[in-house]
Amino acid sequence: GAGVSQSPSNKVTEKGKDVELRCDPISGHTALYWYRQSLGQGLEFLIYFQGNSAPDKSGLPSDRFSAERTGGSVSTLTIQRTQQEDSAVYLCASSTWTGGNTIYFGEGSWLTVV
Amino acid sequence: DQQVKQNSPSLSVQEGRISILNCDYTNSMFDYFLWYKKYPAEGPTFLISISSIKDKNEDGRFTVFLNKSAKHLSLHIVPSQPGDSAVYFCAASGDFGNEKLTFGTGTRLTIIP
Repeated sequence: GAGVSQSPSNKVTEKGKDVELRCDPISGHTALYWYRQSLGQGLEFLIYFQGNSAPDKSGLPSDRFSAERTGGSVSTLTIQRTQQEDSAVYLCASSTWTGGNTIYFGEGSWLTVV
Repeated sequence: DQQVKQNSPSLSVQEGRISILNCDYTNSMFDYFLWYKKYPAEGPTFLISISSIKDKNEDGRFTVFLNKSAKHLSLHIVPSQPGDSAVYFCAASGDFGNEKLTFGTGTRLTIIP
């Protein structure tokens, strides 16, 4: 597709369940990012994939969060044993790897943990 | 440790006037800066960027100013239009944009007709 595609767009889950969020980046983009925005908060960095390099996982808030990127394209963010504080919009973005790049965001996956 | 700070959570400006949004950063390794705009229920969209080798970049109604010594940048929108009402995020990265972006907490701009 033309832009970054995320699914599901909305997810309501019960506390303690696992969820998977998917991101399909712009074709040809080597860098992929996950951010999240909780209600009333800014954009919080979670994880960054760049080509074949080891991902930068420094933003993952706990070991319940993990992400993978298969074949250098699609990425899945997994949250295990969800908690209410995980409720947020999870934003994926991608970019080319050139100096002065900008990143392009998807519309986000809205997660509500009840 | 908030490395990129937007100290004004909200700003209201009369239509036609200038909107000035401010951003401060603490990491001296940042050398590439961007502004993103976000409407409700949408992902952020890129607005304008500036490299540390410049102190000003202009694109239509939008101008970004960078003061490296003060570690401060600002976004000027003139004239402001109702469609500019959105949340504006400042972002920064190192290695001239080859590193991950660190975002500020955003400023909600409301343009009053």
